[in-house]
Amino acid sequence: SQTIHQWPATLVQPVGSPLSLECTVEGTSNPNLYWYRQAAGRGLQLLFYSVGIGQISSEVPQNLSASRPQDRQFILSSKKLLLSDSGFYLCAWSPGTAETQYFGPGTRLLVL
Amino acid sequence: ELKVEQNPLFLSMQEGKNYTIYCNYSTTSDRLYWYRQDPGKSLESLFVLLSNGAVKQEGRLMASLDTKARLSTLHITAAVHDLSATYFCAGFNYGGATNKLIFGTGTLLAVQP
Repeated sequence: SQTIHQWPATLVQPVGSPLSLECTVEGTSNPNLYWYRQAAGRGLQLLFYSVGIGQISSEVPQNLSASRPQDRQFILSSKKLLLSDSGFYLCAWSPGTAETQYFGPGTRLLVL
Repeated sequence: ELKVEQNPLFLSMQEGKNYTIYCNYSTTSDRLYWYRQDPGKSLESLFVLLSNGAVKQEGRLMASLDTKARLSTLHITAAVHDLSATYFCAGFNYGGATNKLIFGTGTLLAVQP
């Protein structure tokens, strides 16, 4: 069966510091991968998605970036965090573009 | 672009009662997803509805899809406290730069004993 991992689970970072969040999927190959952000009490905002190694589509202009160095690894990064980057970051995978997305456990980021 | 609206945003109900969460969407979407999110946790897939008239049931939850009315419903039967969570519906937006899921704002369900 497929599993999706995210780490770290929780992160507290100062404003202006860099960020790297990692997501890995096991038990499948060539998945679609997604990064979402959920602000407190709000819905989900799609940040990036990837259909293959090195292929990244960005949804919202911001100071975040994503990379997919391996088939089942998806990384979310920032060079300098802003207060507004605080939130719950969720990675998801799907077998294909229009298929059910399965979410990882999430990373809770607090920028102070 | 597809827009998805849920109502109510908050629902407080007593155990044993029935209620329905509504999910309206603005343009054609041939599939509709329902997810559950427990407080502080990630999203769990509940149902995917793939055609007009589709109905799926799991325990006390039943979801249906009417593509002509652009409406999906999540019906809760004889609610129990364990169903307390936030429920999201999502439609699939085709075309443009990205084919993607568009989520509703969620319905926070609180089941009171």
